[in-house]
Amino acid sequence: ETGVTQTPRHLVMGMTNKKSLKCEQHLGHNAMYWYKQSAKKPLELMFVYNFKEQTENNSVPSRFSPECPNSSHLFLHLHTLQPEDSALYLCASSQDRAQETQYFGPGTRLLVL
Amino acid sequence: QKEVEQNSGPLSVPEGAIASLNCTYSDRGSQSFFWYRQYSGKSPELIMFIYSNGDKEDGRFTAQLNKASQYVSLLIRDSQPSDSATYLCAVNPGGKLQFGAGTQVVVTP
Repeated sequence: ETGVTQTPRHLVMGMTNKKSLKCEQHLGHNAMYWYKQSAKKPLELMFVYNFKEQTENNSVPSRFSPECPNSSHLFLHLHTLQPEDSALYLCASSQDRAQETQYFGPGTRLLVL
Repeated sequence: QKEVEQNSGPLSVPEGAIASLNCTYSDRGSQSFFWYRQYSGKSPELIMFIYSNGDKEDGRFTAQLNKASQYVSLLIRDSQPSDSATYLCAVNPGGKLQFGAGTQVVVTP
């Protein structure tokens, strides 16, 4: 185990639903990340938080809304998603933004119908 | 041009042989390089990182970096069936990691 947990592990939702993904890290890190992984494509960085402040938003559609209440927790709020948003959503953490060694959670497999 | 390129494979390797994986990157300013292993349906797991030109060994794994040629490679010695996975190369040109799409390795008994 890497010390990064994610819930739920699997999620099926309709395009009109609202759901949230949760990530928690137990490593004492200060930076947290959301990635999207689609089949046969590189990991896509979505959001970065460093010391609870969002430092990066990689042109992610507004139907994805991140929240970082503290350095240990990260949420991804989902609403009115599209079928092409179906993917594996990975959370990662690192000591801080300058420390690039990132540790990943197990991911949430999302299917949008 | 992709920022980080890897051959998608699959790379078929007999058990006990050496698996050789390559990765090229486009940003000459990249300073740190990582290899992650990802089993099917699982999340990426860090194997090694390398910052300096040359070789870095850790158990059966050796990372090789050549900044002048802009490539980083991973050698897996004495390959085992448990090494069958997708290997992701990640490069940091400054500010954020950029990942390749990964090379699938299949170790055959």
